[in-house]
Amino acid sequence: GQNIDQPTEMTATEGAIVQINCTYQTSGFNGLFWYQQHAGEAPTFLSYNVLDGLEEKGRFSSFLSRSKGYSYLLLKELQMKDSASYLCAVDTGAGSYQLTFGKGTKLSVIP
Amino acid sequence: GAGVSQSPRYKVAKRGQDVALRCDPISGHVSLFWYQQALGQGPEFLTYFQNEAQLDKSGLPSDRFFAERPEGSVSTLKIQRTQQEDSAVYLCASRGGTTEAFFGQGTRLTVV
Repeated sequence: GQNIDQPTEMTATEGAIVQINCTYQTSGFNGLFWYQQHAGEAPTFLSYNVLDGLEEKGRFSSFLSRSKGYSYLLLKELQMKDSASYLCAVDTGAGSYQLTFGKGTKLSVIP
Repeated sequence: GAGVSQSPRYKVAKRGQDVALRCDPISGHVSLFWYQQALGQGPEFLTYFQNEAQLDKSGLPSDRFFAERPEGSVSTLKIQRTQQEDSAVYLCASRGGTTEAFFGQGTRLTVV
């Protein structure tokens, strides 16, 4: 089966840095995605990693280690609007390009 | 349209009623996915279309669930004889030539 684990909840202070971890054990791997989802809204794409290393995009960075089955999303200079759920998803390469999602990490940013 | 559009946004159904949920993907996107998202959980894969062909329906939880995309654009997810455990948000996503999938805002189904 497919297993994707991430913490259920995290709290961080406005202006700080937070790292959200994701570990995965899947039958195949074609890349790892991070999505942001505000309550009641659609998930929106943040980042994609298919090779090992760090991808940086503004205040958001994502890291992947395929040998360890591990990724993290790093959010810098946190803003109140960053309060949301962050979803880790793996393209398991099953041929249908479907994404298998973790349960999501609910991040609360406090003043 | 500019994004993936789903309708209705909210649907309340009596147990046993049939429902139909609509998805308008981004124009030209070949791949279309349906996901089910329970409260506080990540989306769970239901089914996948490439154009009009349903290539994977392994995630459909029972034969009460049926999806179609007859002309390779708009898709409909139908749930027959709804049950309380069907209550969830149903998300549609489409994917073009790029890597990421674009999601609609979902239909929140409540079965009473």
